[in-house]
Amino acid sequence: DGGITQSPKYLFRKEGQNVTLSCEQNLNHDAMYWYRQDPGQGLRLIYYSQIVNDFQKGDIAEGYSVSREKKESFPLTVTSAQKNPTAFYLCASSTEPTGTDYNEQFFGPGTRLTVL
Amino acid sequence: AQTVTQSQPEMSVQEAETVTLSCTYDTSESDYYLFWYKQPPSRQMILVIRQEAYKQQNATENRFSVNFQKAAKSFSLKISDSQLGDAAMYFCAYRSQGGSQGNLIFGKGTKLSVKP
Repeated sequence: DGGITQSPKYLFRKEGQNVTLSCEQNLNHDAMYWYRQDPGQGLRLIYYSQIVNDFQKGDIAEGYSVSREKKESFPLTVTSAQKNPTAFYLCASSTEPTGTDYNEQFFGPGTRLTVL
Repeated sequence: AQTVTQSQPEMSVQEAETVTLSCTYDTSESDYYLFWYKQPPSRQMILVIRQEAYKQQNATENRFSVNFQKAAKSFSLKISDSQLGDAAMYFCAYRSQGGSQGNLIFGKGTKLSVKP
């Protein structure tokens, strides 16, 4: 089955530690995205990547880092510089977002990160 | 910058009745896409319906339909014959057409409860 997987589903981190959230897709999509969701908030963009070895900061990139070494994978690292990392993190992918096609974004099931 | 506003944090509807969720947005662009996403308790984001701004006809998907008022920058979602499974968070989202950035801009969401 084609889709997006995120692991782990729940993640606990001690203050001061870096942690990496996994996102894998087998949809052959070029573009991938990381969003953060807080209670009472919509989703906010952290980073996005349109092609392998290239990525761009979103609205709330501070304290986060990403890599895109493979088309299928777009891991997100939450660093100790992120002041308030406890949140729900969603990964998404789509075909290349150019042109006039609406390029539906498909979402993974999410990872709940809690800082202890 | 584009913004999306959902003015109803919570809504409630009786099973089999009709409910309308409101969404307004702000943009200076003339070409864009609008979406409604559903997030059930599982937290998986599911695309409910989409609307291309250049289309005057309102989109419809089974029991879900939109009222798209481009001049007023309004994009409401109507759910007919509400079912218990419709209970979820509903997010309105905006995406620019074309360009190099394909991310979605989300509203803060409306929590819909369905009473049996």
